Amino acid sequence: DQQVKQNSPSLSVQEGRISILNCDYTNSMFDYFLWYKKYPAEGPTFLISISSIKDKNEDGRFTVFLNKSAKHLSLHIVPSQPGDSAVYFCAASDPGTYKYIFGTGTRLKVLA
Amino acid sequence: ETGVTQSPTHLIKTRGQQVTLRCSSQSGHNTVSWYQQALGQGPQFIFQYYREEENGRGNFPPRFSGLQFPNYSSELNVNALELDDSALYLCASSPGGGAYEQYFGPGTRLTVT
Repeated sequence: DQQVKQNSPSLSVQEGRISILNCDYTNSMFDYFLWYKKYPAEGPTFLISISSIKDKNEDGRFTVFLNKSAKHLSLHIVPSQPGDSAVYFCAASDPGTYKYIFGTGTRLKVLA
Repeated sequence: ETGVTQSPTHLIKTRGQQVTLRCSSQSGHNTVSWYQQALGQGPQFIFQYYREEENGRGNFPPRFSGLQFPNYSSELNVNALELDDSALYLCASSPGGGAYEQYFGPGTRLTVT
């Protein structure tokens, strides 16, 4: 039972354009969402988060949007850079259990 | 400020053996979570320790156990290793339990043959 889903295993984008990574979840009780970036041979690196009481959070080139009615969040990267090429995971916080539930990841490739 | 460190980097064990993985949390962080990441999957939550007490557990059998020490470093122990235990084991630390960002170490790659 996959409670957090990233349905696109991979995405290719031209340098300078917008990258949009999507994530869907099934549990309406999730109250906090995060995006992590992972390079090979490294642990995931925290990128940006959003509380369920907000619908948007922005940090430099990264913006996360949350649509609670659709149980959908997305990460926008503008402009995309070759160094953004990595695997991106979305995660949801399960309230009361302190565990984060991760999606399966989307591999982003930014083409120069 | 020192980040999260894990040891060893790689490990090869035989089925049925026991293994101990180690994690040093980021300075100022009192909460450590452990995750298992199988190939092509996202990290799966094993358990979390807060101030030396287990603070939540995922769907892993009791042969997965852990400890947290007074300096907030942590160990993950796996007994009776199975082939399916082959994975990247990630440790993450955070300033406190609940909705805080978790900061990951580089992981330990465990191979069970």
